[in-house]
Amino acid sequence: QQPVQSPQAVILREGEDAVINCSSSKALYSVHWYRQKHGEAPVFLMILLKGGEQKGHDKISASFNEKKQQSSLYLTASQLSYSGTYFCGTQNNNAGNMLTFGGGTRLMVKP
Amino acid sequence: DAGVIQSPRHEVTEMGQEVTLRCKPISGHNSLFWYRQTMMRGLELLIYFNNNVPIDDSGMPEDRFSAKMPNASFSTLKIQPSEPRDSAVYFCASSLSGGRPTNYGYTFGSGTRLTVV
Repeated sequence: QQPVQSPQAVILREGEDAVINCSSSKALYSVHWYRQKHGEAPVFLMILLKGGEQKGHDKISASFNEKKQQSSLYLTASQLSYSGTYFCGTQNNNAGNMLTFGGGTRLMVKP
Repeated sequence: DAGVIQSPRHEVTEMGQEVTLRCKPISGHNSLFWYRQTMMRGLELLIYFNNNVPIDDSGMPEDRFSAKMPNASFSTLKIQPSEPRDSAVYFCASSLSGGRPTNYGYTFGSGTRLTVV
């Protein structure tokens, strides 16, 4: 079953912050985050493993709450280059290393 | 490293024709995935190979779709006969994995935009 992402879309001004959420109805082994720019392939940002860890990548960080089966992606002091569609991909405990992707969150950063 | 290489980048074909999409994964990666992306359905997993063996093909829409991975450096996705509803962007991705949940991200190819008229 596909994880649910929210919001579906968000518009920011440069320098503003945003949070994108990803929720699953199944127990998770890990959560991946990807960014896709228009007309391009998804690009891997980070992976979070069960254990509730939080990771950072420049000014983009994420958390994973295994009990709630949720992950959140935090974008701080957004830059124009952050624009794109963000996807979470979830990996279940017993599903090999296949990812099921959420529907995506379209982020637009304006000057 | 050239990344995951897909060909062709664009394909326009008439309904009923056979279409073959190609993928060369990153050298050393042992997992390969075919995804399809549409506005309506998002990113859907079609089939997953581990060490050249198909592990899960439950996402393949119907018998018109088939995929092969004859060796570690090449995979094909074939649609025969093609239909307009097959129009989508098809992505190939590769990863390093032991067949279990992985600690590594996927690297996607640039995709093949398929249009069936």
